[in-house]
Amino acid sequence: EDKVVQSPLSLVVHEGDTVTLNCSYEVTNFRSLLWYKQEKKAPTFLFMLTSSGIEKKSGRLSSILDKKELSSILNITATQTGDSAIYLCAVRTQGGSEKLVFGKGTKLTVNP
Amino acid sequence: NAGVTQTPKFRILKIGQSMTLQCTQDMNHNYMYWYRQDPGMGLKLIYYSVGAGITDKGEVPNGYNVSRSTTEDFPLRLELAAPSQTSVYFCASIAGGGGSTGELFFGEGSRLTVL
Repeated sequence: EDKVVQSPLSLVVHEGDTVTLNCSYEVTNFRSLLWYKQEKKAPTFLFMLTSSGIEKKSGRLSSILDKKELSSILNITATQTGDSAIYLCAVRTQGGSEKLVFGKGTKLTVNP
Repeated sequence: NAGVTQTPKFRILKIGQSMTLQCTQDMNHNYMYWYRQDPGMGLKLIYYSVGAGITDKGEVPNGYNVSRSTTEDFPLRLELAAPSQTSVYFCASIAGGGGSTGELFFGEGSRLTVL
């Protein structure tokens, strides 16, 4: 059974802190890993990572995949209250069964 | 530029009633998915489809059915609604092929309450 595990499940920090969110996976026929941010409504896309190991960056957010460890991290530097959200990790499989399986998410709260 | 459109946005059902959540996308995506999200939880895959005429079960398919007669449409049917099906439902789609950006596009969600 395909599995995606995120940690921690919740995290409370102060503005300006740096956070690291973790995602590990056990799936058949890995294709890619996706990170999403969810506030009130539907998740919004952050990054897609593949086994190439190339780091992705966007402003204060960055993410990389470790294909040996079957895991990924999402870093957020100089956190702001607007970063408060649930961060979701999803893994996409390939080879006829193009499933997209999500983890439970990490709820990040950034206090002023 | 509509993207993924879900209807209805809100619905209250009585136990035992049936209903269909509609989902349509105009991006010519092959792959479509239905998820449910319970409060404070991640998304659980209900059903997915890799193309017209092909559907497959996800993690939590019981109590639901889907069909995919066209590339654009992927309706989710709830038969004999139960309180355990109270949730927010998201439809999503993604392009296939090597040129895909990998981004999963979501509808706005449908909040369903079963009383």
